[in-house]
Amino acid sequence: DAKTTQPPSMDCAEGRAANLPCNHSTISGNEYVYWYRQIHSQGPQYIIHGLKNNETNEMASLIITEDRKSSTLILPHATLRDTAVYYCIVTSGTYKYIFGTGTRLKVLA
Amino acid sequence: DSGVTQTPKHLITATGQRVTLRCSPRSGDLSVYWYQQSLDQGLQFLIQYYNGEERAKGNILERFSAQQFPDLHSELNLSSLELGDSALYFCASSLAPGQLYEQYFGPGTRLTVT
Repeated sequence: DAKTTQPPSMDCAEGRAANLPCNHSTISGNEYVYWYRQIHSQGPQYIIHGLKNNETNEMASLIITEDRKSSTLILPHATLRDTAVYYCIVTSGTYKYIFGTGTRLKVLA
Repeated sequence: DSGVTQTPKHLITATGQRVTLRCSPRSGDLSVYWYQQSLDQGLQFLIQYYNGEERAKGNILERFSAQQFPDLHSELNLSSLELGDSALYFCASSLAPGQLYEQYFGPGTRLTVT
């Protein structure tokens, strides 16, 4: 599975959009981009995933660049409860998932 | 609440000891996954079971073993514990051996080895 690079931390004002970037320059054609988050050492929570098209669900939007070498997770209206560590994972489903150290997002009141 | 339960929540033990972590999957889920999350290694996949059979193995040490019982609960056994085994251990479950987004994670067991 391809490796990902994320900034270690970000701040976002409550009510504003949080844009979390992820670089995955070695991604291969059959690998999906997944986003998970972890709040206070609880179990990771699935957010969204995509292959090459942009995706949106009730939690977030995922924007994948045309060359698929990077992506951005967008939380449209961040709340204090969105404070968490966000992980970008690239995998073809081989179970060798690499969660890495993620981005610690802090939503500020 | 994901529906996956793990016991105990916290465990403190000494080096050289053996412990058993328990996981009950969501109702109806046949597949169970174990993960280890340590400060320096991030979250790593250890092993997966489906309907009692081992399906996939990740970075699981030989000192560690797991099994899934007929009632579908699973146990992760850690023996000859070392300080470096201190970590959060998560269990996840899914209906079938599916993709990452189909897995629901439990609350974890925090193991501290002293």
